[in-house]
Amino acid sequence: ILNVEQSPQSLHVQEGDSTNFTCSFPSSNFYALHWYRWETAKSPEALFVMTLNGDEKKKGRISATLNTKEGYSYLYIKGSQPEDSATYLCASEFGGYQKVTFGTGTKLQVIP
Amino acid sequence: DVKVTQSSRYLVKRTGEKVFLECVQDMDHENMFWYRQDPGLGLRLIYFSYDVKMKEKGDIPEGYSVSREKKERFSLILESASTNQTSMYLCASTPGQGTGELFFGEGSRLTVL
Repeated sequence: ILNVEQSPQSLHVQEGDSTNFTCSFPSSNFYALHWYRWETAKSPEALFVMTLNGDEKKKGRISATLNTKEGYSYLYIKGSQPEDSATYLCASEFGGYQKVTFGTGTKLQVIP
Repeated sequence: DVKVTQSSRYLVKRTGEKVFLECVQDMDHENMFWYRQDPGLGLRLIYFSYDVKMKEKGDIPEGYSVSREKKERFSLILESASTNQTSMYLCASTPGQGTGELFFGEGSRLTVL
């Protein structure tokens, strides 16, 4: 079983603060790295799927970077808003049938 | 709007009962997955299917079976429910080509008494 680790487990930030989380994964047999946002009482939704070393993706105030050689990815949120409160999951895809292994998630609470 | 629909949001069952969790997707996706979510453990893969009538064990298949008779439907079966199967169950699907983002259902929260 692959080990995908996320840190921190949880954090609280003030509205307007910027924040970032880390995802580390085994660099061998790497295929893709996924980020999902999971809001309470909703389905997890994909933010990014990244494949290339050095890849950077952006969606509004949220961006992500990928380092496949050292096996880590960062997710950044600029100017956090209360609606950003959610659990952020990363998952490593290691090839074959789009099967992924998830980290335990980072739970973000943005305080108004 | 594309959708993955899980049949029940909340279920309460007794130990030893047979439990069916149904999942339907309307995106003509090839691959379908069942995960369970437990506090502190993340999403763990139970079973997945890459084609009709095809299935593969995930990381924690013990105590579960699955059925995929039609492309759009993937069922998770607990033959004899036990209290340690109390959990949130999530179904997901992917297209089957390239690096596919997972499309999730809203989850089924199962309590086994």
